[in-house]
Amino acid sequence: DAKTTQPTSMDCAEGRAANLPCNHSTISGNEYVYWYRQIHSQGPQYIIHGLKNNETNEMASLIITEDRKSSTLILPHATLRDTAVYYCIVRVDSGGSNYKLTFGKGTLLTVNP
Amino acid sequence: KAGVTQTPRYLIKTRGQQVTLSCSPISGHRSVSWYQQTPGQGLQFLFEYFSETQRNKGNFPGRFSGRQFSNSRSEMNVSTLELGDSALYLCASSLTRLGEQYFGPGTRLTVT
Repeated sequence: DAKTTQPTSMDCAEGRAANLPCNHSTISGNEYVYWYRQIHSQGPQYIIHGLKNNETNEMASLIITEDRKSSTLILPHATLRDTAVYYCIVRVDSGGSNYKLTFGKGTLLTVNP
Repeated sequence: KAGVTQTPRYLIKTRGQQVTLSCSPISGHRSVSWYQQTPGQGLQFLFEYFSETQRNKGNFPGRFSGRQFSNSRSEMNVSTLELGDSALYLCASSLTRLGEQYFGPGTRLTVT
């Protein structure tokens, strides 16, 4: 799986949009971009994933650049409960035996009141 | 729909003992994966089961093993426990092998 690079930490004011970047310059054509988050002492929570088109769900939006080398997770109106470690993961979409999720160190997002 | 459940939530064992952790996936999910999380190594993949067969294995010693039952429930076993096995063990289920994975709350294992 391609490796990802994320900032170690970010701050965001409550009610503002949180934009979390991820670099995945070595991503290959059959790899999806996944985002998970982990609130302290809980299991990771799936947020969203995409291949090349921008995606939106009730939790967040995912913007993937045209060359697919980077992406941004957007939480439109961050709340204190969004404080968590956010993981950007790339994962093969078919074939091979690598169906696992490979977690990096993620970005600690702190939402401040 | 109920989420992924893991039992027990907390466990304290002594070095040399063995332990069995249990995971019940979301109803209808057939793929179960296990992960170990420690402060030093972060989240690491242990193994994946689908249709009662181990399909994928991470880089862990043979002391770590698992199985999946016909109802998709899964167990993992760690034999001859070492202090370094102290960790949060997470189970995740997905509808298909490539579907998004939904994690349980984890089992916190402490080895003394």
